[in-house]
Amino acid sequence: NAGVTQTPKFQVLKTGQSMTLQCAQDMNHEYMSWYRQDPGMGLRLIHYSVGAGITDQGEVPNGYNVSRSTTEDFPLRLLSAAPSQTSVYFCASSYESLPGGGEQYFGPGTRLTVT
Amino acid sequence: RKEVEQDPGPFNVPEGATVAFNCTYSNSASQSFFWYRQDCRKEPKLLMSVYSSGNEDGRFTAQLNRASQYISLLIRDSKLSDSATYLCVVNIDGGGGADGLTFGKGTHLIIQP
Repeated sequence: NAGVTQTPKFQVLKTGQSMTLQCAQDMNHEYMSWYRQDPGMGLRLIHYSVGAGITDQGEVPNGYNVSRSTTEDFPLRLLSAAPSQTSVYFCASSYESLPGGGEQYFGPGTRLTVT
Repeated sequence: RKEVEQDPGPFNVPEGATVAFNCTYSNSASQSFFWYRQDCRKEPKLLMSVYSSGNEDGRFTAQLNRASQYISLLIRDSKLSDSATYLCVVNIDGGGGADGLTFGKGTHLIIQP
């Protein structure tokens, strides 16, 4: 199993550009989520999904869209990039059935810089 | 407001020593607890879950104190490879979704030779 994969690993955008961060998992997990990690801020939840066709907002959803058309894929779209979106983005997945949230499996991250 | 607090450190500890750090949480309804490890410029990975009775995995021991609302992580006989940031994670609703999780900002541990 490849686990959780993310592309690209690094990206530089200009203010106002849009792009999609890709995330895929091959573990048949129902739950998937996107986090951003900033220095001194810890991991903050952007959007999450509890299954194909179902998504919801997390703590910091503004400026981002998601969709979940398949169990495997959960892309994150930046609509109009802003310097405040410079961050490291992690995608994660987990089993639905484990109590207590179970183990979150994280992808390797995408380092995004917006100039 | 969900809050999980950790001492950011860094904790500078000589190799072979024992080190412990705590994490406090504010929501008394929190149901499950975890320690994650994050190496520099890498993704977080689960180190261990924290059970009510406490649990041990090799050199690592995790404890939960519900009355005082904190969890702890003890590392014995520390190795250079233990150098990392340790994230405290609390699940409020007990479900499998990410919306119930709150991550602490992490404690940075440096093991010195």
